[in-house]
Amino acid sequence: LAKTTQPISMDSYEGQEVNITCSHNNIATNDYITWYQQFPSQGPRFIIQGYKTKVTNEVASLFIPADRKSSTLSLPRVSLSDTAVYYCLVGETGRRALTFGSGTRLQVQP
Amino acid sequence: DAGVIQSPRHEVTEMGQEVTLRCKPISGHNSLFWYRQTMMRGLELLIYFNNNVPIDDSGMPEDRFSAKMPNASFSTLKIQPSEPRDSAVYFCASSFVDRGHQPQHFGDGTRLSIL
Repeated sequence: LAKTTQPISMDSYEGQEVNITCSHNNIATNDYITWYQQFPSQGPRFIIQGYKTKVTNEVASLFIPADRKSSTLSLPRVSLSDTAVYYCLVGETGRRALTFGSGTRLQVQP
Repeated sequence: DAGVIQSPRHEVTEMGQEVTLRCKPISGHNSLFWYRQTMMRGLELLIYFNNNVPIDDSGMPEDRFSAKMPNASFSTLKIQPSEPRDSAVYFCASSFVDRGHQPQHFGDGTRLSIL
């Protein structure tokens, strides 16, 4: 499975846009990029998944450049409830097991 | 929609006792995964099943751990005998594997404390 590198922590304020970038230099052709969110005492929650270019859903956008060696999770107008750990994963998520890295701890301040 | 359901949510027991964790995957999903999360090691895969058959159990720490999936709607993870170092949060996840890429959906975990 491709190794991922993401910042350990980030701070933001309510109402701001937050962009978390993940590096995955050895991504394979069949790999998808998936982001999860985890709150304390809860399991990881699927946020968004993509293969290339841009994907958007009701909670986030995922930007993937043409070389796919990195990706950026964009959270528009964060609120206090977005304080969580965000994990970037690369692989064939449905078929294979996931390898979680350390994640990015996002702290949103009022 | 009911998500992945795990029980119990919390378990406290003394070392040497048998512990059984239970998981009900999302209906229609054909793959099930057991993970363990600790502060030191983060989230790590223990075992996963596809169509009720164990595919990869290389993450199972040792013979004290065993997992079963007798049918598509139920799985257990058993630790016997339990040790204090098994204390962790254990997560179950499920997904539907086909030619596409479907994400895994996690339960809220079982917090296990071995005294």
